Amino acid sequence: DAGITQSPRYKITETGRQVTLMCHQTWSHSYMFWYRQDLGHGLRLIYYSAAADITDKGEVPDGYVVSRSKTENFPLTLESATRSQTSVYFCASSTIDRGRDGELFFGEGSRLTVL
Amino acid sequence: DAKTTQPPSMDCAEGRAANLPCNHSTISGNEYVYWYRQIHSQGPQYIIHGLKNNETNEMASLIITEDRKSSTLILPHATLRDTAVYYCIVSGPGGGADGLTFGKGTHLIIQP
Repeated sequence: DAGITQSPRYKITETGRQVTLMCHQTWSHSYMFWYRQDLGHGLRLIYYSAAADITDKGEVPDGYVVSRSKTENFPLTLESATRSQTSVYFCASSTIDRGRDGELFFGEGSRLTVL
Repeated sequence: DAKTTQPPSMDCAEGRAANLPCNHSTISGNEYVYWYRQIHSQGPQYIIHGLKNNETNEMASLIITEDRKSSTLILPHATLRDTAVYYCIVSGPGGGADGLTFGKGTHLIIQP
């Protein structure tokens, strides 16, 4: 199916474990983003990527690692999960490179609980 | 620093027009105004954006004042499914190239 998909949708893990959240888009958008959303903080940008092998930090990158070996995939890894990383994570891709300004397409979110 | 100011919540009757205000008094000449909404638990959804002129699409209309210091998103015939948090965002050209900054938004509640 075309679009942007995230997996897993729900994940429970323990403190100290490594967790990878996957994001896949079928539009060949150059730009991809990871946001987290917590009560009281709204959506905050973690990392973004302008193209394969190009990534950059957002507002709250500490504790996260990203990679982008293929245009369509943008995984987010928590190398050693902490309770403060309990959140809903949203992946997005953008049409910026198609001449349209700033329209982000979001996935359905991955709800992560760290015990 | 917040670039936009929105009321935290608003009510609107079903079938009526919902008018959501946004102040962006420090907007620069090349910055766009974007509107997104987030229905409970879902990812945000793009609605509309504009630079100077008023814009309309199948979802909404965007009215930007002449001095560009404020704007209004209009949902012409609100339905219960329009209940959501609406975000007004100001960003430069190529707007989302380094990510859009989402504030707290306005929680719009459509009343039956």
